[in-house]
Amino acid sequence: AQSVTQLGSHVSVSEGALVLLRCNYSSSVPPYLFWYVQYPNQGLQLLLKYTSAATLVKGINGFEAEFKKSETSFHLTKPSAHMSDAAEYFCAVSGPNNNDMRFGAGTRLTVKP
Amino acid sequence: DGGITQSPKYLFRKEGQNVTLSCEQNLNHDAMYWYRQDPGQGLRLIYYSQIVNDFQKGDIAEGYSVSREKKESFPLTVTSAQKNPTAFYLCASGKIVTSDLFYNEQFFGPGTRLTVL
Repeated sequence: AQSVTQLGSHVSVSEGALVLLRCNYSSSVPPYLFWYVQYPNQGLQLLLKYTSAATLVKGINGFEAEFKKSETSFHLTKPSAHMSDAAEYFCAVSGPNNNDMRFGAGTRLTVKP
Repeated sequence: DGGITQSPKYLFRKEGQNVTLSCEQNLNHDAMYWYRQDPGQGLRLIYYSQIVNDFQKGDIAEGYSVSREKKESFPLTVTSAQKNPTAFYLCASGKIVTSDLFYNEQFFGPGTRLTVL
């Protein structure tokens, strides 16, 4: 079975500060990993994905994530937070050759002026 | 524009009533999914369908039903058997990406917020 754990249900940063959202996965097979963003009362939008190519993945809006197999982690970072980054972020894991995707509980990011 | 539409955006139901949530996609994806979202619990899978006229239960299927008569459409019915239906419901469609292996990339609709009065 696959699962992800997002550490910290709420993260607050100042505008211009580093954003770090943590995700650890559990998988008995090579994982495919995803970060999605959700703005209030909207659906989820894909930020980036890891699909066994480069371990450092760049996404939209200046976000990136690094796959670290030894740490079973896929943390999301952005060097400088913007007010528009305030949203909920979900990490998700999928395995190869299946249609199952498992989501973490989400991390709500607040950006202070 | 290609995408996924869900209607209505807000829905109110009296206890004991069945309601149907609409989900349509024009992305030509074979797979479609329904998730329920509650605060602090992430997304939980209700039902999914990989092909027309076929669907499987997810983790929390009790009190829900679906149909898949067309590739583009995957409506969800919340029945009176669902004891706590107030939630945000998200529909997704899945693109199968194939290289050496395949993986599933999901695209989400805007959601329907259901409230039981």
